[in-house]
Amino acid sequence: AQSVTQPDARVTVSEGASLQLRCKYSSSVTPYLFWYVQYPRQGLQLLLKYYSGDPVVQGVNGFEAEFSKSNSSFHLRKASVHWSDSAVYFCAGQNTGGADRLTFGKGTQLIIQP
Amino acid sequence: EAAVTQSPRNKVAVTGGKVTLSCNQTNNHNNMYWYRQDTGHGLRLIHYSYGAGSTEKGDIPDGYKASRPSQENFSLILELATPSQTSVYFCASGDRLGVNYAEQFFGPGTRLTVL
Repeated sequence: AQSVTQPDARVTVSEGASLQLRCKYSSSVTPYLFWYVQYPRQGLQLLLKYYSGDPVVQGVNGFEAEFSKSNSSFHLRKASVHWSDSAVYFCAGQNTGGADRLTFGKGTQLIIQP
Repeated sequence: EAAVTQSPRNKVAVTGGKVTLSCNQTNNHNNMYWYRQDTGHGLRLIHYSYGAGSTEKGDIPDGYKASRPSQENFSLILELATPSQTSVYFCASGDRLGVNYAEQFFGPGTRLTVL
């Protein structure tokens, strides 16, 4: 079974609306979690990360994510999206067992409608 | 500025040919990684390395070799390229930021087409 799941392959949101991208993780990853963003024809850029402490973490460009141990989730949120947020977003978790490996979800394509 | 660079950025190869993808990092990170990205699969780990002289198999190593001759450089080698290896390949470097957690930084990717 997939150890990091992004259930939505594509999400469409109107500009100015709020956003939530979902991510669930299994016990095969540690609670060290990341969100990356990929703009067209570019590499992945780190948006934010969670290691410990406050379950709500702030990232760049107004993004935040909330870690929930009880729900095994790490959902990404933004209060008001801009057209420039159109991209593919990847959730990733650090594998258990060391080696500093990451397991990625399949990604969610975010489409911003004018 | 610390960075991960990849070369070439685009490559067209013939079936059965040898392909070498190169990655260089100026982050002074110990760990380096090679991923491929395909629609519907996200990123999948091919090989990784803990440091110069070290290579380890990732989740999909078949048909690929890796080489880490120095801290800065990590190559991915396709000895006999096949059309199924057409993909976008990403290199990343990373290191421990604490006792248990690590972080990775990605290059811009190489688009490989095998005809």
